Amino acid sequence: DAKTTQPPSMDCAEGRAANLPCNHSTISGNEYVYWYRQIHSQGPQYIIHGLKNNETNEMASLIITEDRKSSTLILPHATLRDTAVYYCIVRVPPFMAGGGADGLTFGKGTHLIIQP
Amino acid sequence: KAGVTQTPRYLIKTRGQQVTLSCSPISGHRSVSWYQQTPGQGLQFLFEYFSETQRNKGNFPGRFSGRQFSNSRSEMNVSTLELGDSALYLCASSLFDRERGYTFGSGTRLTVV
Repeated sequence: DAKTTQPPSMDCAEGRAANLPCNHSTISGNEYVYWYRQIHSQGPQYIIHGLKNNETNEMASLIITEDRKSSTLILPHATLRDTAVYYCIVRVPPFMAGGGADGLTFGKGTHLIIQP
Repeated sequence: KAGVTQTPRYLIKTRGQQVTLSCSPISGHRSVSWYQQTPGQGLQFLFEYFSETQRNKGNFPGRFSGRQFSNSRSEMNVSTLELGDSALYLCASSLFDRERGYTFGSGTRLTVV
């Protein structure tokens, strides 16, 4: 899997948009970008994923640059419950040719702290 | 819809003992993977199963093993426990053939004394 680089920590005011960056400059053509988060003492939670187009779901938006070398996860209206460690992961889905059978490779992630 | 269920939630074992942890995936999910989380090493992949077959294994010693049953439930076993095996063990399930992400359980907190 390609490596990702994320800032170790970020602060955001409650009610504002939280923008979490991720660099994945060595991403290959068939690798997707995934975001998970882990709230203290809980299992990681899937947030969103994308290949090249921007994606939005009920939790967040994912913006992927045209060259796919970086992406940004956007939490539009952050709440205190969004305080967590956010992980950016790139991999080939297991159902695709050459797909990863080696699970998810978690880095250190970004510790996002939402300030009241 | 029930989530991923891991049992037990907490466990205390003595060095040298063995332990078996259980994971019941979301109904319909056929892929189950296991992870170890420690403060020093973070989240590390242990192994992944699909249709009762181990697809891959992470960089862990042979004391760590697992299996998956025909109903997709999975167990992992750690033999000859060491103090360093104290960790949160997480199980995750997925559809495998469609990308919907992995759903993780709440984990089993293992303490080896």
